[in-house]
Amino acid sequence: DAGITQSPRHKVTETGTPVTLRCHQTENHRYMYWYRQDPGHGLRLIHYSYGVKDTDKGEVSDGYSVSRSKTEDFLLTLESATSSQTSVYFCAISDTDRATNQPQHFGDGTRLSIL
Amino acid sequence: SQKIEQNSEALNIQEGKTATLTCNYTNYSPAYLQWYRQDPGRGPVFLLLIRENEKEKRKERLKVTFDTTLKQSLFHITASQPADSATYLCALTDKLIFGTGTRLQVFP
Repeated sequence: DAGITQSPRHKVTETGTPVTLRCHQTENHRYMYWYRQDPGHGLRLIHYSYGVKDTDKGEVSDGYSVSRSKTEDFLLTLESATSSQTSVYFCAISDTDRATNQPQHFGDGTRLSIL
Repeated sequence: SQKIEQNSEALNIQEGKTATLTCNYTNYSPAYLQWYRQDPGRGPVFLLLIRENEKEKRKERLKVTFDTTLKQSLFHITASQPADSATYLCALTDKLIFGTGTRLQVFP
């Protein structure tokens, strides 16, 4: 299995509080991604990174920010959590650009509940 | 916008039979398509990739076809086993788009 660790694995918090999810990889892959997975919507891209300090928005980026100060860590922050952000969040990595059709390797997710 | 559709209803089959899952896409002509397996509480795991010029790809008991005219990919598991029970996702990863997945249940 690819070395991807997501933390925390579960979190319950209240509306309006800030939340940071962490993705840590030991594969030295350049590309990292954050997705959310919801019933009926499948996996949707939030943000991705193509290198240290290089990030870009995905399909559902509103309300989320990311940072990547080191190759191995990609942080996802909800500045002020809302109930609509209750979801399962997955981090993924790949060693080449998506255009080269290489597979992504996923972590086991963070289940986030916002009350 | 690009869209992927997979049958949202679960597919229930008997052990030993062939399972066939469908992935349809619109508004796009991908050069390739990927299939992933996802178990409850886990992240997706890559299974197979097929390119537009390959028509068919095999890996052990798995077979994927790719019909660019119909804009459809079929995913087959032959001699299915209860351990094959999972949700299967198709993906256009050059666009970072995933389908919602189809849950397969194989009964003994």
